Amino acid sequence: GEEVAQTPKHLVRGEGQKAKLYCAPIKGHSYVFWYQQVLKNEFKFLISFQNENVFDETGMPKERFSAKCLPNSPCSLEIQATKLEDSAVYFCASSLIDSQGTEAFFGQGTRLTVV
Amino acid sequence: AQSVTQLGSHVSVSEGALVLLRCNYSSSVPPYLFWYVQYPNQGLQLLLKYTSAATLVKGINDFEAEFKKSETSFHLTKPSAHMSDAAEYFCAVSDANQGGKLIFGQGTELSVKP
Repeated sequence: GEEVAQTPKHLVRGEGQKAKLYCAPIKGHSYVFWYQQVLKNEFKFLISFQNENVFDETGMPKERFSAKCLPNSPCSLEIQATKLEDSAVYFCASSLIDSQGTEAFFGQGTRLTVV
Repeated sequence: AQSVTQLGSHVSVSEGALVLLRCNYSSSVPPYLFWYVQYPNQGLQLLLKYTSAATLVKGINDFEAEFKKSETSFHLTKPSAHMSDAAEYFCAVSDANQGGKLIFGQGTELSVKP
């Protein structure tokens, strides 16, 4: 597709429940990124993939967060046993790295509310 | 490590006035620099990017930014603000060696008064 598609747009989970977010990157883009935005500010990098391989996971809270990008499937970000502090908007982005830089195209985000 | 600092979490201008949003970066390698805009309940839209070509970069909606290596700055300007420019603006830096991971500033909320 020509845009990064994220589903669902909104997700409400009770504390302790699992949350799973999906992202379909732009076709042909080899990098996928997940960012967390809390309170309208500060985008925190979580993880990136190069194709289906984890490229950089330095931002991931590994205890409860996991992510995958499998061939022919949307990428996913899963949070086990959600906590109130996980409430945020989660953005996915994809990019095609070339000599012109690394322009990332963002999806519309998934708003996760943990109650 | 790379970092970005946006001076001023909130900027207010009158319609038709100059817009100046400040961004300073820190990077140990030649950086790629970006300005993104976020409208309420939306994702990020790229305004412009610097990738070591021209130091004065022109973007969409009459925005432009100048890369100044000596000042480690990449300030965003627009000659005349429109009401529709009211949004949150983010400056970001990336390093292709890190797969294009973006490091964002804290954001600047732009308000435009009639």
